[in-house]
Amino acid sequence: TQLLEQSPQFLSIQEGENLTVYCNSSSVFSSLQWYRQEPGEGPVLLVTVVTGGEVKKLKRLTFQFGDARKDSSLHITAAQPGDTGLYLCAGVSNTGKLIFGQGTTLQVKP
Amino acid sequence: DSGVTQTPKHLITATGQRVTLRCSPRSGDLSVYWYQQSLDQGLQFLIQYYNGEERAKGNILERFSAQQFPDLHSELNLSSLELGDSALYFCASSHYGGDSNYGYTFGSGTRLTVV
Repeated sequence: TQLLEQSPQFLSIQEGENLTVYCNSSSVFSSLQWYRQEPGEGPVLLVTVVTGGEVKKLKRLTFQFGDARKDSSLHITAAQPGDTGLYLCAGVSNTGKLIFGQGTTLQVKP
Repeated sequence: DSGVTQTPKHLITATGQRVTLRCSPRSGDLSVYWYQQSLDQGLQFLIQYYNGEERAKGNILERFSAQQFPDLHSELNLSSLELGDSALYFCASSHYGGDSNYGYTFGSGTRLTVV
């Protein structure tokens, strides 16, 4: 069974701080996706990384896919209260389906 | 608005009852996926339909069933409900049937509370 472990599970920081969320597995994934979910809503796709070592930037968010395609990280620079939410990584499994990590709940205080 | 419509948004029902959750995929998407989200289990894949046919099954209980109709909307039927079935149920859609690399578009979910 392919599993994705996210850390930390909870993160509470002040506005302006930087943070990194990790998504790790012992399995290889063909791609990894990051979603953000706000209360009362479904997850919204932020980015997909496909190539080992790939780095993608989305404004203040930087996503990286590990060289071995087993892990990924999300780095947020100068976090803002609007970044508050549940961040989920999801891997495309060997059966072609999306497997989600447990999520990281981020709270950014003004 | 993601384009994926789920109804109802909230549902409260008693143990032993049966409910039906409905999902209309984004226009042009042929695949529908159902997920269950609970605090202790996270997002768990239940089942996928592609163009009317079942494509993949995940951790779906035998008390649960789903179908996709010719107009591509899907229904998830939950029967003999137990307290532990209380959760958020999400529907997601994608254009492709076998390639998840493009990501899914999720609806806003149905919050089911079994009392």
